[in-house]
Amino acid sequence: SQTIHQWPATLVQPVGSPLSLECTVEGTSNPNLYWYRQAAGRGLQLLFYSVGIGQISSEVPQNLSASRPQDRQFILSSKKLLLSDSGFYLCAWSVGGAFTGELFFGEGSRLTVL
Amino acid sequence: AQSVTQLGSHVSVSEGALVLLRCNYSSSVPPYLFWYVQYPNQGLQLLLKYTSAATLVKGINGFEAEFKKSETSFHLTKPSAHMSDAAEYFCAPMNTGFQKLVFGTGTRLLVSP
Repeated sequence: SQTIHQWPATLVQPVGSPLSLECTVEGTSNPNLYWYRQAAGRGLQLLFYSVGIGQISSEVPQNLSASRPQDRQFILSSKKLLLSDSGFYLCAWSVGGAFTGELFFGEGSRLTVL
Repeated sequence: AQSVTQLGSHVSVSEGALVLLRCNYSSSVPPYLFWYVQYPNQGLQLLLKYTSAATLVKGINGFEAEFKKSETSFHLTKPSAHMSDAAEYFCAPMNTGFQKLVFGTGTRLLVSP
């Protein structure tokens, strides 16, 4: 069966520090991968998605970036965190190929920037 | 591209009462539509989906939704709320040709004893 792992689960970082959140999927090949963010009062926002290694689509301009160095690995990064980067970050995957709309989410990473 | 509007950021019901969460989509072209649920401090999971096969769609945990083209709506209902239904619910359209879902703003369901 397929599983998705996301870490760390919680993170407290000072303003201006770097960030790296990692997500890996097991049990499937060539998945589509996604990063979403939930911030207070701002709903669920799609940040990045990827349909293959090295292919990243950015949805929202910001100081975050994403990379997909391996087929089932998706990394969210920042060089310098802002207070506004605080939130609950969710990684998700879907079956590769024709998009069915069914997403499978990880347990999330809660980031607090102080 | 399709978008959805979820009316009411919070809905409160008593245990055993009817649950109605509203979702309206933006276009006259029937899209594929989804409802997802998020329990506290967890990721989202698929509740049900409409893919034009049937207008009344049944999902997990006793939820169902009816696609009404005349009203451009896809409201989520459950006849009798349980305490365990307390969660946030998201509606999302699927735009053909895109490989992503953009969710509505969400509705938090509160269930009181």
